[in-house]
Amino acid sequence: DTAVSQTPKYLVTQMGNDKSIKCEQNLGHDTMYWYKQDSKKFLKIMFSYNNKELIINETVPNRFSPKSPDKAHLNLHINSLELGDSAVYFCASSQGSGGYTFGSGTRLTVV
Amino acid sequence: AQSVAQPEDQVNVAEGNPLTVKCTYSVSGNPYLFWYVQYPNRGLQFLLKYITGDNLVKGSYGFEAEFNKSQTSFHLKKPSALVSDSALYFCAVRDITSSASKIIFGSGTRLSIRP
Repeated sequence: DTAVSQTPKYLVTQMGNDKSIKCEQNLGHDTMYWYKQDSKKFLKIMFSYNNKELIINETVPNRFSPKSPDKAHLNLHINSLELGDSAVYFCASSQGSGGYTFGSGTRLTVV
Repeated sequence: AQSVAQPEDQVNVAEGNPLTVKCTYSVSGNPYLFWYVQYPNRGLQFLLKYITGDNLVKGSYGFEAEFNKSQTSFHLKKPSALVSDSALYFCAVRDITSSASKIIFGSGTRLSIRP
């Protein structure tokens, strides 16, 4: 039933580790996104893929690497995690010029 | 470049009273405008959108928003607030004339409804 699902929901890890967050949508949307929500609740776009092609790549450290194996999946891999990477990461999808459907978020805590 | 501003960090309203959450935007072309709501420890939920047509848009949970092109505003309104409306509200804009356009979110307004 879930439209946009992210795993894991919570992720606690040590500095320097590498981790991945997975996202899947079953809405048949062509475009998927990763957003970062910081501690002040500010939402900033990180990446966007359209039909497996990267179309938006904001100023994000190259430790962050998105991968889209097909248009229903957009995963986010983060290398050498830093304390400042702690945030809630949201996956979203859209079709055409409509609004986004968001996942429930992954709360990443780097210790 | 597109941008959106929510001038109020917090809005406090008594239950049963009307509420307004303010939003202004800036785009180089024609805007698509959205409101989303975020409950604690949850993702964002779509409330309503303006694409074209009537300036008054009705959405979920009794919310509505009015598009005002001359004032570049898209304020969210509800005639009678409920305690359950307490949440974080985000206004967002998308410039439809820009290829590979993305939705830009405002900084959010925390709505608190007191019984």
